[in-house]
Amino acid sequence: EIVLTQSPGTLSLSPGERATLSCRASQSVGSSYLAWYQQKPGQAPRLLIYGASSRATGFPDRFSGSGSGTDFTLTITRLEPEDFAVYYCQQYGSSPFTFGQGTKLEIK
Amino acid sequence: QVQLVQSGAEVKKPGASVKVSCKASGYTPNSYGISWVRQAPGQGLEWMGWISVYNGNTDYAQKFQGRITVTTDTSTSTTYMELRSLRSDDTAVYYCARSLARIVAVAYAFDYWGQGTLVTVSP
Repeated sequence: EIVLTQSPGTLSLSPGERATLSCRASQSVGSSYLAWYQQKPGQAPRLLIYGASSRATGFPDRFSGSGSGTDFTLTITRLEPEDFAVYYCQQYGSSPFTFGQGTKLEIK
Repeated sequence: QVQLVQSGAEVKKPGASVKVSCKASGYTPNSYGISWVRQAPGQGLEWMGWISVYNGNTDYAQKFQGRITVTTDTSTSTTYMELRSLRSDDTAVYYCARSLARIVAVAYAFDYWGQGTLVTVSP
């Protein structure tokens, strides 16, 4: 089973700042089958990034994903108030499909 | 538009079973697979299993093997997740989620999610 470790656990930033979230895998994620999801309180997760760097429909270009192998990054430039949420990475290249423990992005 | 609509909240006793449904609309169901993901209160996401709506293939997380069954009814575009021998630590919100995985579970992220079903296990 591939274990995903996200850091930091909580990130406190102000609107307008840049956020960098990390996701590290215990073994290589094949073909960059790595996704990021955004979850707000009381809501289902929402697909944000797939294939490590492709942005899903409905998200602006201030969101970007990068990385390959075992190290992946989600970057949000110029944070907007609606961006404060919990972000999960997930690998879907090898069953069981595992999620990271999440990074909570909170307003400073 | 694509929608996955799940059944309502459930309260169960330890040792009982629960069956949660997920009805798809707005797309051709047998071109996709459905996964089940759960989230315990205040915790992260945990993948439980997947079914191909196309041919009924399933793939379950080892942790749930023997306790979970995922089925699909193509006539009603509804997928079901049954979890047996419930324990208190099965208390969670259970989500269904769609992926383009049609034959095998891998290679596609989960692009649409149901609204979630709270299952509470309490004596």
